[in-house]
Formats: sequence, structure tokens, C-alpha cells
Amino acid sequence: EDKVVQSPLSLVVHEGDTVTLNCSYEVTNFRSLLWYKQEKKAPTFLFMLTSSGIEKKSGRLSSILDKKELFSILNITATQTGDSAVYLCAVDNYGQNFVFGPGTRLSVLP
Amino acid sequence: DAGITQSPRHKVTETGTPVTLRCHQTENHRYMYWYRQDPGHGLRLIHYSYGVKDTDKGEVSDGYSVSRSKTEDFLLTLESATSSQTSVYFCAISVDANTGELFFGEGSRLTVL
Repeated sequence: EDKVVQSPLSLVVHEGDTVTLNCSYEVTNFRSLLWYKQEKKAPTFLFMLTSSGIEKKSGRLSSILDKKELFSILNITATQTGDSAVYLCAVDNYGQNFVFGPGTRLSVLP
Repeated sequence: DAGITQSPRHKVTETGTPVTLRCHQTENHRYMYWYRQDPGHGLRLIHYSYGVKDTDKGEVSDGYSVSRSKTEDFLLTLESATSSQTSVYFCAISVDANTGELFFGEGSRLTVL
């Protein structure tokens, strides 16, 4: 059974801290790994990763994939209260199905 | 931006009643999905569609059926709602086959008493 695991499930930090969110996966056929941010409503797309070792970056957020060890990390530097959200990791397993992890709830305190 | 509208946005119903949730898109995307989101489980796929009248089951399809008679509409039906189907339901469309990006609707919160 395809599975995506995220850790930690919950994290509380203060503004300015750097955080690392983890995502590991076991899927039959891997095509890509995706990160989403979910605030109060719908998840919004952050990154898609397909190749090992190539960092994707957007502002203070960056992510990298290790296809040998089957994991990805999402880094957020200089966190702000606006980064408070649930961060979802998902894997596209070629079956037109995206398998999602349970998410990491990040709370950034002022 | 892909336009997705879900309706109703909120619904309270009783056990045993039928419920239909509607997902409407304005962009003519081929792939559409229904997910449910529950605490501790993340998003789980119920059903998806890859074209008009072409649908397939996801990992939690029991108790749900879908229909897609037009490209723009994807309906999710609970024939006889149960309390375990209390959840937030998200419709999504695949907006870019190259990036794998899913665009989500705003969600429909269903409570089954």
C-alpha cells in the first residue's frame, strides 16, 4: 500500500526561526513529490520535485528530494506568522492518484 | 487561475439521507478529483475522473459514487449518509500535467448527525 509519512505532525516556533519539515514515502511507482500549504481553506501548491538533489526555491522556502532514501524536506528560513499553516506532502504515483501525508501543522508565534 | 466552485459549502444532514456535492470548473480540465480530509489522515482520494463518463475509484470509495456527464461538472453522491462520512470534501483539478499541480476548490463541510 502506498504511504506518505510526515514529521513532525505539529511544530511551534517563534518568528525568525528556521524550520525543517520531513516527508518520507513508500510508493509503487514514483513520478513526483509535491508540497502544498493549507491555511484555513484549500491547499495551495508550493513545489513539485522529480529529481534527486535538485533544490527548488521560492523566497524563504526551499525543498529537496532524495529518491534513494525516499524522502524530501521542506525548509523555511526566517519564519513569519504568515507561515503558520498545515504543510502537506503528496506523491504522484502515476496512477492519476496523489497520495497525501497527514500534514505538519506549523505555528509561528510572534 | 483555474476556477472551481463547490456546492454546497456547508451541509448538515441526517444518517440515511442521500447527499450530492457538486464540483464545477470553468477551464475545461480533463482530470478532476474528490478528496476527503479528516484529522490525522490528510487528504484521501475518494474518486477521480479522466473525462466525461470516465471515472475510477480511489482509496476510500466505499459508500460514494460519482458522475461526470459534462466536462465542467463532477458530482459526488453519498447514497445513504453515515456519521463516518462527516468530513471536509475537496474537489481538485489537475491544471498542469507537467508540474503535477492540483488546484483545489474551497471545500464542502458535511456533517452527518
